[in-house]
Amino acid sequence: AQKITQTQPGMFVQEKEAVTLDCTYDTSDQSYGLFWYKQPSSGEMIFLIYQGSYDEQNATEGRYSLNFQKARKSANLVISASQLGDSAMYFCAMRAWMDSSYKLIFGSGTRLLVRP
Amino acid sequence: DSGVTQTPKHLITATGQRVTLRCSPRSGDLSVYWYQQSLDQGLQFLIQYYNGEERAKGNILERFSAQQFPDLHSELNLSSLELGDSALYFCASSAWKASGYNEQFFGPGTRLTVL
Repeated sequence: AQKITQTQPGMFVQEKEAVTLDCTYDTSDQSYGLFWYKQPSSGEMIFLIYQGSYDEQNATEGRYSLNFQKARKSANLVISASQLGDSAMYFCAMRAWMDSSYKLIFGSGTRLLVRP
Repeated sequence: DSGVTQTPKHLITATGQRVTLRCSPRSGDLSVYWYQQSLDQGLQFLIQYYNGEERAKGNILERFSAQQFPDLHSELNLSSLELGDSALYFCASSAWKASGYNEQFFGPGTRLTVL
């Protein structure tokens, strides 16, 4: 079954420190994609970073990087130099081929709170 | 700003009523997706349209329906509303990419409250 698991309902991090948000996935597909989205308290979903299953290097986008460990089926998001504006819900998602089309399956999310 | 627009931003209605949520995708995007985010169910995929045709169905109730028009905007119709339909409804759009992945850009959402 295609599934995304985020085991950390909530996390704290001190401003300017790095934080890792965990994500594990389950799929039997050889080709898949993994996404991270940020949802601030205002509600919108903001795309952060993408990792393809065949990408050999870990994806990076500014202060965001994705620690992709294919054998362990994990795709953890690393935020470096945390800022107060990083306080939000973070969702890991997987592009899965289901019922003849691609769908995004989301995890339950991790709420990150950055302390000043 | 993702380029995806949704109206209205907030909607308050009563049980048994029918509402229509509207979405305009990013310029050039042919695919539109609808999602429901509720406290107990999380973020759930409802339905996808591609260039006017239904492409995929998720956990969409029979009381709900959607369509995509020739100008590519989409509408999600929710009828016989129940208290449990209260949620944040997102629309997302994506473009085809040769790389094979289609990053989805989300609109700001419509918050539906059923009283």
